[in-house]
Amino acid sequence: DSGVTQTPKHLITATGQRVTLRCSPRSGDLSVYWYQQSLDQGLQFLIHYYNGEERAKGNILERFSAQQFPDLHSELNLSSLELGDSALYFCASSSNIAGGGTGELFFGEGSRLTVL
Amino acid sequence: AQSVTQLGSHVSVSEGALVLLRCNYSSSVPPYLFWYVQYPNQGLQLLLKYTSAATLVKGINGFEAEFKKSETSFHLTKPSAHMSDAAEYFCAVSDRGDSWGKLQFGAGTQVVVTP
Repeated sequence: DSGVTQTPKHLITATGQRVTLRCSPRSGDLSVYWYQQSLDQGLQFLIHYYNGEERAKGNILERFSAQQFPDLHSELNLSSLELGDSALYFCASSSNIAGGGTGELFFGEGSRLTVL
Repeated sequence: AQSVTQLGSHVSVSEGALVLLRCNYSSSVPPYLFWYVQYPNQGLQLLLKYTSAATLVKGINGFEAEFKKSETSFHLTKPSAHMSDAAEYFCAVSDRGDSWGKLQFGAGTQVVVTP
């Protein structure tokens, strides 16, 4: 158990709909990262938040948005869903952001989104 | 832009045999390098990481990897495979600094261990 909790674990929805994925980081971790894992594109970094502020963006579509709340949990919002958005969405948290070294990313078990 | 290439999408090894998973990176400066493992229906777990200290890095579960700048490689090895090593393995690279958690992953190598 990594200590990172993601809900829901599975989600099936239709094209054009909107869903929200939730992530609770490990206790005390200020950084939250979102990754997408799909058969077509593998694992891709989407976005990074640190203590409520967006710090880095990756290949995140304009239809997708995220935020980190004061209690440090994060939500990834996916709208106008397309078949190609079907994927496993991972959240990861870490305890530091300092340059000159790394911490460890602790990954949740993911939310599997199926768009029909 | 950084990229990672993992040679071989599937590797089959006998129990007790050497596990060797290959990873090459492209980066203009020495990056941070990672190996992650993913078991079925689970998230990714860090096996080991290279951050510019010793070039031979030891990780969990008996795995180790060697950073070779001249070859831009970071191959993962384990002397003796165990059935529990069956999983998918990902090599990843990131920039130094505050964006170290923005990982660029390879395509992954599925490891099958046969009795």
